[in-house]
Amino acid sequence: DTAVSQTPKYLVTQMGNDKSIKCEQNLGHDTMYWYKQDSKKFLKIMFSYNNKELIINETVPNRFSPKSPDKAHLNLHINSLELGDSAVYFCASSQGYGGGEQYFGPGTRLTVT
Amino acid sequence: AQSVTQLGSHVSVSEGALVLLRCNYSSSVPPYLFWYVQYPNQGLQLLLKYTSAATLVKGINGFEAEFKKSETSFHLTKPSAHMSDAAEYFCAVSDGPITQGGSEKLVFGKGTKLTVNP
Repeated sequence: DTAVSQTPKYLVTQMGNDKSIKCEQNLGHDTMYWYKQDSKKFLKIMFSYNNKELIINETVPNRFSPKSPDKAHLNLHINSLELGDSAVYFCASSQGYGGGEQYFGPGTRLTVT
Repeated sequence: AQSVTQLGSHVSVSEGALVLLRCNYSSSVPPYLFWYVQYPNQGLQLLLKYTSAATLVKGINGFEAEFKKSETSFHLTKPSAHMSDAAEYFCAVSDGPITQGGSEKLVFGKGTKLTVNP
């Protein structure tokens, strides 16, 4: 029944490792997003895909690589993790015609030690 | 470029009192404006949205917001606070739907933490 799901919910790893976060939505939406929420709760968009095409790519280090195998999935792979990557990462989806009405997943708390 | 300023990172009210959370925006195109709520350890949930229709927008849980173009504001109000309203509230602006040439990219304010005292 979960509209937007993410796995894992918690991720603890060491500096230098590579990790992935998966996101799936069952709402039939065409557009999916990745946001980063820092320790001060500030939310910033990282990427957006519409019909599997990358449409937003903010100034994110190229260690971060999104992949959308189909419209229902958007994964985030992070290479060579750094301490500053510690944050909560949210996946979201939208219909593409709501102007910004997005449905968010529960978040993945990434801790880099 | 678009931006959002939320005045007051923390707001504390008594149960039953008026809730007023302030949001001012900047946008070079007609804005789409949103309020989202985040409960502890959860994702964000849409409270309400302004998309160029009525300037007074009603949302879920008794919240409403008024779009004032002259003041570039979109303040969130609720007449009577409930303990369950305690959460982080985010105001956001976008450039509109993808189907109308926008990107639906949400630019968020820094959030306002609402505390409700018994």
